[in-house]
Amino acid sequence: DQQVKQNSPSLSVQEGRISILNCDYTNSMFDYFLWYKKYPAEGPTFLISISSIKDKNEDGRFTVFLNKSAKHLSLHIVPSQPGDSAVYFCAAVDAGNNRKLIWGLGTSLAVNP
Amino acid sequence: NAGVMQNPRHLVRRRGQEARLRCSPMKGHSHVYWYRQLPEEGLKFMVYLQKENIIDESGMPKERFSAEFPKEGPSILRIQQVVRGDSAAYFCASSRQGSLNQPQHFGDGTRLSIL
Repeated sequence: DQQVKQNSPSLSVQEGRISILNCDYTNSMFDYFLWYKKYPAEGPTFLISISSIKDKNEDGRFTVFLNKSAKHLSLHIVPSQPGDSAVYFCAAVDAGNNRKLIWGLGTSLAVNP
Repeated sequence: NAGVMQNPRHLVRRRGQEARLRCSPMKGHSHVYWYRQLPEEGLKFMVYLQKENIIDESGMPKERFSAEFPKEGPSILRIQQVVRGDSAAYFCASSRQGSLNQPQHFGDGTRLSIL
């Protein structure tokens, strides 16, 4: 059973516009969330994170929003650039299971010039 | 290159052979994590090691798979008597401390193909 769900396998946006990637989770013991970006044939690269005590964290063009009551987080990229085209993984730290990192299946983002 | 180094990048084995995957963590990192990514799936945790100790191996199959992180040298993920279902990308990550609030730094993976 997938505890971290990224329901959109793919997303396509125009360069300069906003990209919004969504992630839902089911386990209330998750207390820290991370977004990773992955290019083909490379390992994931850490992008941005957020603690469950916050509802927003911003780093340059990247902002992560957390809605704990809805068990939902989203990653906003604005403005989107062609180099942002990659697979984005949402991951959650399970405080009830040895602080294991639980991963979503990823969303493939294509930013069109 | 001070990043996480995995080798080989690609490994081809026949059914029944052994596969050895190596991971050298980032300098100063003493915590290593192994993940497996099957086609069309996300990353699945396999094992978490600290120097000379296995901290959590709950994601690793009980048979044929083993991992070590010796005092000197890289971490090794060993798969004995490989089967077709072992074909996957295996990623290693490292962190300075064991808290998973610290982002893990990933290598570029080893793609294992079983003939």
